[in-house]
Amino acid sequence: DQQVKQNSPSLSVQEGRISILNCDYTNSMFDYFLWYKKYPAEGPTFLISISSIKDKNEDGRFTVFLNKSAKHLSLHIVPSQPGDSAVYFCAPGGNNRLAFGKGNQVVVIP
Amino acid sequence: GAVVSQHPSWVICKSGTSVKIECRSLDFQATTMFWYRQFPKQSLMLMATSNEGSKATYEQGVEKDKFLINHASLTLSTLTVTSAHPEDSSFYICSARDHGDSEAFFGQGTRLTVV
Repeated sequence: DQQVKQNSPSLSVQEGRISILNCDYTNSMFDYFLWYKKYPAEGPTFLISISSIKDKNEDGRFTVFLNKSAKHLSLHIVPSQPGDSAVYFCAPGGNNRLAFGKGNQVVVIP
Repeated sequence: GAVVSQHPSWVICKSGTSVKIECRSLDFQATTMFWYRQFPKQSLMLMATSNEGSKATYEQGVEKDKFLINHASLTLSTLTVTSAHPEDSSFYICSARDHGDSEAFFGQGTRLTVV
């Protein structure tokens, strides 16, 4: 079963603009969320995380927002750069299954 | 970040043979390891979760007798695709997580082609 859902599978954005990726989850007991970035034919790399006791976590150009009442989190990338073109996955952390959503394909247009 | 080494990075095998993929955590103890499969233009599908010293927990629809997972030490897990067939051709990725940490680190992936 899918623990998280990522709709809007593909996003194209102009370089320098903001990319916003969304992720919905079902289990209100999740206490930690992770975002990963993946290039083709490579393993994912960890990007940023957020604990459920926070509603925002920022790391450079990347900010993750958590809305617990809506069971929704989002990843903001600003300004977007061509190297950000990749697939982004969200996943709940801290439980024994690390299952990803379908991912968001981001294409940053130079 | 921590390093997870996956080997081989690609392998071609004949139909009916078995293939073993190794996943090693190089600088941390991997209490939990995950194995994924990715089809072209599709998401990462979790196949199984293994905790060191225990039998792996397989996801629904994944044949445990076909995809043998061994996690006998805190730094090594192996996935053996038994009696491989062309439909098993895929990109297999492992990840490893230390006890108590939520962040998992991924291997580079293995491209398996069964001919």
